[in-house]
Amino acid sequence: KQEVTQIPAALSVPEGENLVLNCSFTDSAIYNLQWFRQDPGKGLTSLLLIQSSQREQTSGRLNASLDKSSGRSTLYIAASQPGDSATYLCAVPGTGRRALTFGSGTRLQVQP
Amino acid sequence: AAGVIQSPRHLIKEKRETATLKCYPIPRHDTVYWYQQGPGQDPQFLISFYEKMQSDKGSIPDRFSAQQFSDYHSELNMSSLELGDSALYFCASSRRDNEKLFFGSGTQLSVL
Repeated sequence: KQEVTQIPAALSVPEGENLVLNCSFTDSAIYNLQWFRQDPGKGLTSLLLIQSSQREQTSGRLNASLDKSSGRSTLYIAASQPGDSATYLCAVPGTGRRALTFGSGTRLQVQP
Repeated sequence: AAGVIQSPRHLIKEKRETATLKCYPIPRHDTVYWYQQGPGQDPQFLISFYEKMQSDKGSIPDRFSAQQFSDYHSELNMSSLELGDSALYFCASSRRDNEKLFFGSGTQLSVL
């Protein structure tokens, strides 16, 4: 059974810092990995999707990398802003190719 | 751009009552997923449908059932509600040829 772990569980940084969120998964036979953002009480917004054949994906100040063999992914956020404050979740297909298994998330607080 | 629409946004029920949650996927999306997110928990996959047929099944209780209709909208029916069913219920949709999932804002169910 696929298990997804995210470290750290919570992170508080001053505005402007570059930061790295970590995600690890136990079964490396994944088709892709997605990073989501969730604001309190709100839905999930897809940030980046990395296919298993890719090493990384970039969108603006976000960069996600994937190392399938070691079962790890990182989300790099450059020049963090208070608006980046949210919970960031990574997810990989678990049961069936599409149903996602989520990590517990990293709760990020960027201080102005 | 059109997003995944869920209704109602909030729902309050008492124990042993029934509830029906609705989901309207993004136009031309053929796959719908249901997730349950308890307080402080990561989203857990319940069930999914592709072209109106159940495609994957996760940790959905026997008291719950779901279906996808001819217009691709989906309904999650929940009976004999328990206090532990209180959670945020998300619907997501995707196209079969694109693995990116788009989530709705969720239905917050409170069972009293």
